[in-house]
Amino acid sequence: SQQGEEDPQALSIQEGENATMNCSYKTSINNLQWYRQNSGRGLVHLILIRSNEREKHSGRLRVTLDTSKKSSSLLITASRAADTASYFCSRPSGTYKYIFGTGTRLKVLA
Amino acid sequence: NAGVTQTPKFRVLKTGQSMTLLCAQDMNHEYMYWYRQDPGMGLRLIHYSVGEGTTAKGEVPDGYNVSRLKKQNFLLGLESAAPSQTSVYFCASSYPGYQETQYFGPGTRLLVL
Repeated sequence: SQQGEEDPQALSIQEGENATMNCSYKTSINNLQWYRQNSGRGLVHLILIRSNEREKHSGRLRVTLDTSKKSSSLLITASRAADTASYFCSRPSGTYKYIFGTGTRLKVLA
Repeated sequence: NAGVTQTPKFRVLKTGQSMTLLCAQDMNHEYMYWYRQDPGMGLRLIHYSVGEGTTAKGEVPDGYNVSRLKKQNFLLGLESAAPSQTSVYFCASSYPGYQETQYFGPGTRLLVL
């Protein structure tokens, strides 16, 4: 499969804790994106990181990219119950297409 | 702006029936996509379009057809539905080039009996 691999598949943490999820891929990329999907909803774009960037921040989100290891991580700091969702990484595949991973299901317990 | 909208939200079909899913976007995006999402499989690309009047096959195109007669609309058709097409279908759109972000619709849940 060309899909990215995310781990863990599921993660359960207490409110206030940090959540880290990882994404690995097999071929070279020029960018990688992370999306969030709340239950029963469509995906919402969170952050894009380019291959010449090692780290990017957006609010409580921190994304890293290691092109030598072909992996990326998404860190959510000080998690809230509202962060409960599935998180997907996505990377370009060819000129117009994108490949999505199978996702990490995050549950934040109040 | 409504963003990306999908019609219908939920549908039940019998095997062999046909239906059309409608996706509309009001962001003047050139690119539009149809995905299906199944448990444990992530999103898989069915068909996509890079402009009005153009369509192309994605990863899992069999059993589906698409049309992009107007820039703002992207239709997904099932000519003869099969139980294997039970899924949640998402439409997405994006600008070409620098802004690779995809904007997703709320999804259509389809059950084929």
